[in-house]
Amino acid sequence: QKEVEQDPGPLSVPEGAIVSLNCTYSNSAFQYFMWYRQYSRKGPELLMYTYSSGNKEDGRFTAQVDKSSKYISLFIRDSQPSDSATYLCAMSGSGGGADGLTFGKGTHLIIQP
Amino acid sequence: GAVVSQHPSRVICKSGTSVKIECRSLDFQATTMFWYRQFPKQSLMLMATSNEGSKATYEQGVEKDKFLINHASLTLSTLTVTSAHPEDSSFYICSAFQGPTEAFFGQGTRLTVV
Repeated sequence: QKEVEQDPGPLSVPEGAIVSLNCTYSNSAFQYFMWYRQYSRKGPELLMYTYSSGNKEDGRFTAQVDKSSKYISLFIRDSQPSDSATYLCAMSGSGGGADGLTFGKGTHLIIQP
Repeated sequence: GAVVSQHPSRVICKSGTSVKIECRSLDFQATTMFWYRQFPKQSLMLMATSNEGSKATYEQGVEKDKFLINHASLTLSTLTVTSAHPEDSSFYICSAFQGPTEAFFGQGTRLTVV
């Protein structure tokens, strides 16, 4: 079993829809949870991070972490064609980024105009 | 956010030659940098952790004699792929850590070995 599981998609939704992206993980030592956006042939760009369980909101983006279920989510409201990209979840232990990150495979998201 | 610059963005080399990739943190000092490798439609896989002034730490299965990492200053880490072979063709990405969760990524380097 891989440490981080993420459905690669593609996930295609119409513009304006609410998008739900998810990852599950098996390592209970993970404490920091991040979401990155990656456009084709570019490096990942940090969207949000959350420490331990809980919710965090930033504009149209909401990140949720449920450590009891080892499940994290990213919600995108009022999705735009410019949101089309690959979204990667990433996790690390108590050392945060200093431990290096364990990534999911990424979900390819397509927002249809 | 912080800027990490990676160079070159794309390189094609002949089998058996060596290629050097540079990763620079432009507006902050990074004592720790990371090198990842990404195959098409696959996740980023951590190759090694680069620590300024000391030897890099390699992940299991990564050949340290093939992937030479040097972190000579707080703003520069280099990855040299030695005696490259076609199977080394991949997308290599560096990141610089600005703790506790701020890992900023370079633009990536597309390496093609022919």
